[in-house]
Amino acid sequence: DAKTTQPNSMESNEEEPVHLPCNHSTISGTDYIHWYRQLPSQGPEYVIHGLTSNVNNRMASLAIAEDRKSSTLILHRATLRDAAVYYCILRDTTGNQFYFGTGTSLTVIP
Amino acid sequence: GEEVAQTPKHLVRGEGQKAKLYCAPIKGHSYVFWYQQVLKNEFKFLISFQNENVFDETGMPKERFSAKCLPNSPCSLEIQATKLEDSAVYFCASNKRFRGRNIQYFGAGTRLSVL
Repeated sequence: DAKTTQPNSMESNEEEPVHLPCNHSTISGTDYIHWYRQLPSQGPEYVIHGLTSNVNNRMASLAIAEDRKSSTLILHRATLRDAAVYYCILRDTTGNQFYFGTGTSLTVIP
Repeated sequence: GEEVAQTPKHLVRGEGQKAKLYCAPIKGHSYVFWYQQVLKNEFKFLISFQNENVFDETGMPKERFSAKCLPNSPCSLEIQATKLEDSAVYFCASNKRFRGRNIQYFGAGTRLSVL
């Protein structure tokens, strides 16, 4: 199982950008990098995913290192509603179950 | 439906009683996954289905847990003779295809409390 490593917690001021790092040094060439978040008392929610190139969507941006051993989720302007646990997950081409890891708990300070 | 629907939202059982949880995947999704979240951030994979067939059950406790996905019915996860350690939030997820790029959609979970 490919593993990911994330900081346990991070803080950000409201309306400032947040960079959430993830290390995945054992990633294989066919693993997709997925990011999900879990708001309090809710199920995990898809944020973004990518393979090699940087990705942008309405929620966030995903910056993937050239060697793919790390990635960074970027929230461009943190809001109070972005306070959640963010999980970086590797998913291989067999698409089997997600291995969540412990995630990063993001606190947004008003 | 357009979202994964899990019922009930909360379930309380005395130790030794049976618990049954339900999950309706998004219409058109062939794959269903069950996860158990015991501690705040830790998820454990239990079982996955491709339509009504078990796809991967490597995470299922052998003795008291069982699951089914029957045609035209919600999927179910059943725990016989619950124990205190079964107290957790159980999440169901579905996705359309079984590939690395595919997104999993999660339900809101069922919180099981065993007293």
